Amino acid sequence: QPVLTQPPSSSASLGKSARLTCMLSSDINVNNYKIFWYQQKPGSPPRYLLYYYSDSDKGRGSGVPSRFSGSKDVSANTAILLISGLQSEDEADYYCMMWPSNVLFGGGTKLTVL
Amino acid sequence: QLLESGGGLVQPGGSLRLSCATSGLSFPNYAMTWIRQTPGKGLEWVSAISGGGESTYYAVSVMGRFTVSRDNYMNTLFLQMNDLRAEDTALYYCAKCSSFGGVFGTDAFDMWGQGTMVTVSS
Repeated sequence: QPVLTQPPSSSASLGKSARLTCMLSSDINVNNYKIFWYQQKPGSPPRYLLYYYSDSDKGRGSGVPSRFSGSKDVSANTAILLISGLQSEDEADYYCMMWPSNVLFGGGTKLTVL
Repeated sequence: QLLESGGGLVQPGGSLRLSCATSGLSFPNYAMTWIRQTPGKGLEWVSAISGGGESTYYAVSVMGRFTVSRDNYMNTLFLQMNDLRAEDTALYYCAKCSSFGGVFGTDAFDMWGQGTMVTVSS
């Protein structure tokens, strides 16, 4: 049973960068899948941010600023969401998602902007 | 825009039918999906349907109890939920799949409704 593991919480300072991770269980190889990222603020539905498969196959959702980007750490079987130039409005929950067979979500990371 | 309705309080074993009215999109050209969220378990994909309605997909946890359908004339998505259990208690979102053409698969969910709350309790 594939699992996506996200740390429950993370924090980073205003203007700095935040690196949010999504570790795939050993039965699925991050290299083989698109990883999708969503942002959710309290009282609102999730918002699609971006997907990342490779440097040549990636994309951001409509209106998502370029300071949101995705990558992979293949050696750690982990997908990464990088948010640069942190703003107070980036404080939210972030979820990763993939399609090993059916749709699978990570448990989410609550990002605090200090 | 996506607008869910039909949620409420229902006893275990009961039924509910959720609706998702859409506007401003070429509804028949997009697969649609249902996703639920609970405070304890986060986001869970529930079901999906292709643009023409010919293909449907379900999570193991709801298979045989939930039925997804759509009316492409009314631009509306449905989720019929039968034999409801306490663990089905959640906020149910409908969402649009991003790829034009109506096929469900390896897509982003790029538009979400505000959700409708389902509570299963005696």
